[in-house]
Amino acid sequence: KQEVTQIPAALSVPEGENLVLNCSFTDSAIYNLQWFRQDPGKGLTSLLLIQSSQREQTSGRLNASLDKSSGRSTLYIAASQPGDSATYLCAVGTGNQFYFGTGTSLTVIP
Amino acid sequence: NAGVTQTPKFQVLKTGQSMTLQCAQDMNHEYMSWYRQDPGMGLRLIHYSVGAGITDQGEVPNGYNVSRSTTEDFPLRLLSAAPSQTSVYFCASRGWEGYNEQFFGPGTRLTVL
Repeated sequence: KQEVTQIPAALSVPEGENLVLNCSFTDSAIYNLQWFRQDPGKGLTSLLLIQSSQREQTSGRLNASLDKSSGRSTLYIAASQPGDSATYLCAVGTGNQFYFGTGTSLTVIP
Repeated sequence: NAGVTQTPKFQVLKTGQSMTLQCAQDMNHEYMSWYRQDPGMGLRLIHYSVGAGITDQGEVPNGYNVSRSTTEDFPLRLLSAAPSQTSVYFCASRGWEGYNEQFFGPGTRLTVL
């Protein structure tokens, strides 16, 4: 069974800092990996989707990388803002099943 | 496009009651799924469907039933609610191919007393 781990569980940074969130998975046989943002009491908003054949994807200040062979993905957030405060989840897709990590709760301090 | 919609937003049940959580999508997606989210556990897949008339179990299917009579709708039924089913439930959809992006509904917060 695929196991997905996100470290750290919580992170607090001052505004303007660049930061990296980590996601690791145990089985490299994946279709894709998707990063989501979840605000308190809300649903999941898709941030980036990386296919298994890709190394990275970028959207604005966000950059996600994927190293399938080592079972790792990172989400890089540049020039963090207080509005980036949320929980960030990674999910590994293995065809018809998706496996989620427990998330990293990010707080950006003004 | 409304995307993925879920009703109700909140629900309180007593142990043993039954109810149906509704999910609909207007993106013509073949694949739909239900997750539950519990503190410290992440989201876990309950059931999924790859098209009308086809459903399968996910990681935590016990206590839940699903059916898929149309492409648009994928209801989740709790036949006899238990306190262990207190959770936030999310519905999601994507295109049929496994590499497609998943889209999530806003969730239903269920409390079973």
